[in-house]
Amino acid sequence: DAGVIQSPRHEVTEMGQEVTLRCKPISGHNSLFWYRQTMMRGLELLIYFNNNVPIDDSGMPEDRFSAKMPNASFSTLKIQPSEPRDSAVYFCASSGGSETQYFGPGTRLLVL
Amino acid sequence: AQSVTQPDIHITVSEGASLELRCNYSYGATPYLFWYVQSPGQGLQLLLKYFSGDTLVQGIKGFEAEFKRSQSSFNLRKPSVHWSDAAEYFCAVGAAAGTASKLTFGTGTRLQVTL
Repeated sequence: DAGVIQSPRHEVTEMGQEVTLRCKPISGHNSLFWYRQTMMRGLELLIYFNNNVPIDDSGMPEDRFSAKMPNASFSTLKIQPSEPRDSAVYFCASSGGSETQYFGPGTRLLVL
Repeated sequence: AQSVTQPDIHITVSEGASLELRCNYSYGATPYLFWYVQSPGQGLQLLLKYFSGDTLVQGIKGFEAEFKRSQSSFNLRKPSVHWSDAAEYFCAVGAAAGTASKLTFGTGTRLQVTL
């Protein structure tokens, strides 16, 4: 199994630009999670989906952030417009119902 | 609300020495507990997990952890540390919610191994 796949691995953009992060969960997993990791706040859950439906988005920082899961094999996290304080590592994780989450390698985002 | 405390931000041990990383949790029911490891620039890799049953769980890379309900702890141990174990270690608690489990992570403990 290829594991959770995230793209891009690195993203550098300028303030105000739109950023789209992508995630492909492990095949057969029905839950998908987006996390953000920063030095100041550690690992934070942003949103999670169950069977492609958003269950809890209470961790999404503000309206500039949105996430979609159009099908079982793909999810996006979009930031529009981006700001320097959004600079972080964004992780996607998936779970197959065993309560264990498997993490992708992350996308390192830098907003200038 | 669930929470996790990792009281040690940074720990240094000599190669070959034993290791114990502390984790305390707060959760109203029986928790699901996890330890993950993160090497620099990498994602999180699951070391071990506790759901129920035997309170001493074995994981990968020679790690083990013991669930102690009376102390609300889930400390990670390894009898002999290798230089390749240098990484950041995260304890997490999960709350069952249907088929998905929200994880709350501790702030992590950075392990340095001296030769």
